[in-house]
Amino acid sequence: DIVLTQTPLSSPVILGQPASISCRSSQSLVHSDGNTYLSWLQQRPGQPPRLLIYKVSNRFSGVPDRFSGSGAGTDFTLKISRVEAEDVGVYYCMQATHFPPLTFGGGTKVEIK
Amino acid sequence: QVQLVQSGAEVKKPGSSVKVSCKASGGALSSNTISWVRQAPGQGLEWMGRIIPILGIPNYAQKFQGRVTITADKSTSTAYMELSSLRSEDTAVYYCARGALDLGTEDYWGQGTLVTVSS
Repeated sequence: DIVLTQTPLSSPVILGQPASISCRSSQSLVHSDGNTYLSWLQQRPGQPPRLLIYKVSNRFSGVPDRFSGSGAGTDFTLKISRVEAEDVGVYYCMQATHFPPLTFGGGTKVEIK
Repeated sequence: QVQLVQSGAEVKKPGSSVKVSCKASGGALSSNTISWVRQAPGQGLEWMGRIIPILGIPNYAQKFQGRVTITADKSTSTAYMELSSLRSEDTAVYYCARGALDLGTEDYWGQGTLVTVSS
């Protein structure tokens, strides 16, 4: 199974400042169809996960443009350009390229400093 | 508006089974998949399995093979996840999530169902 390693585990950020989360895969996530099925999810406290980014860099409907995704192959990044209070929560990367199974990173907690 | 509404919290004895439902609205099951993902207290996300409702074909994570059964009723747009031989380690919040084939990921998630396994 694909292992996704996220860093850092925790990211204390000052409001209005940027935040960056890394996700590294144990194998390339490029599918034979040419797509890379790497997504980012946000989980606010007490809430279900919410899709932010799909196929590396595509923002899902309703997601603010301060969220952006980038990367290729085995290395991926989620960036928040200016952290707001509502961005507090845990962020997960997820891969569907090598299905089954779907696998998730261990999560990165974003909190306000 | 896509919505996935799950059944309520359950308390089960070790060794018993639990069946959680996930009712979809807004055309959620039309040509998509439904995954089940669980989250133990304070832990990360763990994929359990997935079904293609229009075909009724499930895939299961190896860890849960033989203990989990995922089904779907197209007539009521409802998916089900049954987990048997429950043990305390199965205490978790169980989520259903729609897999959107065009996005290549799970786009909408249910609100979660807490299953507590305790004697």
